[in-house]
Amino acid sequence: DGGITQSPKYLFRKEGQNVTLSCEQNLNHDAMYWYRQDPGQGLRLIYYSQIVNDFQKGDIAEGYSVSREKKESFPLTVTSAQKNPTAFYLCASSMQESSYNEQFFGPGTRLTVL
Amino acid sequence: AQSVSQHNHHVILSEAASLELGCNYSYGGTVNLFWYVQYPGQHLQLLLKYFSGDPLVKGIKGFEAEFIKSKFSFNLRKPSVQWSDTAEYFCAVRTGGGNKLTFGTGTQLKVEL
Repeated sequence: DGGITQSPKYLFRKEGQNVTLSCEQNLNHDAMYWYRQDPGQGLRLIYYSQIVNDFQKGDIAEGYSVSREKKESFPLTVTSAQKNPTAFYLCASSMQESSYNEQFFGPGTRLTVL
Repeated sequence: AQSVSQHNHHVILSEAASLELGCNYSYGGTVNLFWYVQYPGQHLQLLLKYFSGDPLVKGIKGFEAEFIKSKFSFNLRKPSVQWSDTAEYFCAVRTGGGNKLTFGTGTQLKVEL
């Protein structure tokens, strides 16, 4: 059963703590992405990676970090420097080779910082 | 930087009514255009996409969209909505041959019985 897995579905953390969100895909996609979804603001790109061991900042990278050590995994760390971390986080992936590709999305993780 | 505008933030329709959701983008070059849908409690999924060719594209569940280059628009349409179409709809644009998508702010559609 191919797809993108994000865990956990709900995550609660205390203010000042770093937290890592998991994203795994078994679609053999080269590119992976992290978005943040807030009500009325749509999806905003945090980081993306087109190949293993390489990643680029998106539009709202401040306070976040990522790694891409394996093709199938792209974890996102929300650091204590992120001023407003409570949000719904979506991971996505896509093929790299073809221009006619689309992004496939995971189920998301809802992070609440108390 | 490119931007995507979805002017209708909340739309309420009765079943069988026709739907048109607006999407405008700001980029003068070649674009790929997408509509994604997020049903309550479900993954964001692709409704339809435009890359080239016929500007009228058909997607899943009876949805279609028309790319009008002169108006920088890619409006989503459905002739007759169903209660099950209740969802949030996002327009997205990819420019310059890269993989990055820019999303609009979304339109929350509620279909009443």
